[in-house]
Amino acid sequence: AQSVAQPEDQVNVAEGNPLTVKCTYSVSGNPYLFWYVQYPNRGLQFLLKYITGDNLVKGSYGFEAEFNKSQTSFHLKKPSALVSDSALYFCAVRDGGSQGNLIFGKGTKLSVKP
Amino acid sequence: GAGVSQSPSNKVTEKGKDVELRCDPISGHTALYWYRQSLGQGLEFLIYFQGNSAPDKSGLPSDRFSAERTGGSVSTLTIQRTQQEDSAVYLCASSVPGLHTDTQYFGPGTRLTVL
Repeated sequence: AQSVAQPEDQVNVAEGNPLTVKCTYSVSGNPYLFWYVQYPNRGLQFLLKYITGDNLVKGSYGFEAEFNKSQTSFHLKKPSALVSDSALYFCAVRDGGSQGNLIFGKGTKLSVKP
Repeated sequence: GAGVSQSPSNKVTEKGKDVELRCDPISGHTALYWYRQSLGQGLEFLIYFQGNSAPDKSGLPSDRFSAERTGGSVSTLTIQRTQQEDSAVYLCASSVPGLHTDTQYFGPGTRLTVL
């Protein structure tokens, strides 16, 4: 069965500091991995994805994520956090061998303080 | 270009009533998904349409939930005899299936409140 774990319900970071939002996954085949961000009362916005190729993926708003097959992880990172990055972040996975829905983690609330 | 749109943005209904939620996918997107986001449950998959294939209904929580997609475009999610536990944000997403294109783009959601 496919699953995603986001072990932290909330991450607090000071503005200007680096941030990491953790994600680990379980899938039987090759993983397709995604990060989405949700601002209050809004839908999910796509940030980045890993399908194949380079393990370091760069996405929107200066975010990046590194696919680590041995650790089954896909942590989201940003070198310097902004207050405007404060939002709810979701990691998602699906088995690349089939079409269909994404399996989402529970979400991590990122709070960036000035 | 236009993104995924959903209507209504908010819906308040009484327990036992039927509701219909609408999703307009991005033009040209052949895949359409419904998810539900509720407190404590995260994001749950409900149903998936791809082209003319039979939909994947494996995520529908009960037979009170149904969905259709007419003409391969607009989709309607229907909840019959609503219950308070149906209160949630219902999100629609669309995509173009393919190795490098299969990114799901989400609409703003419909917030359903069942009194």
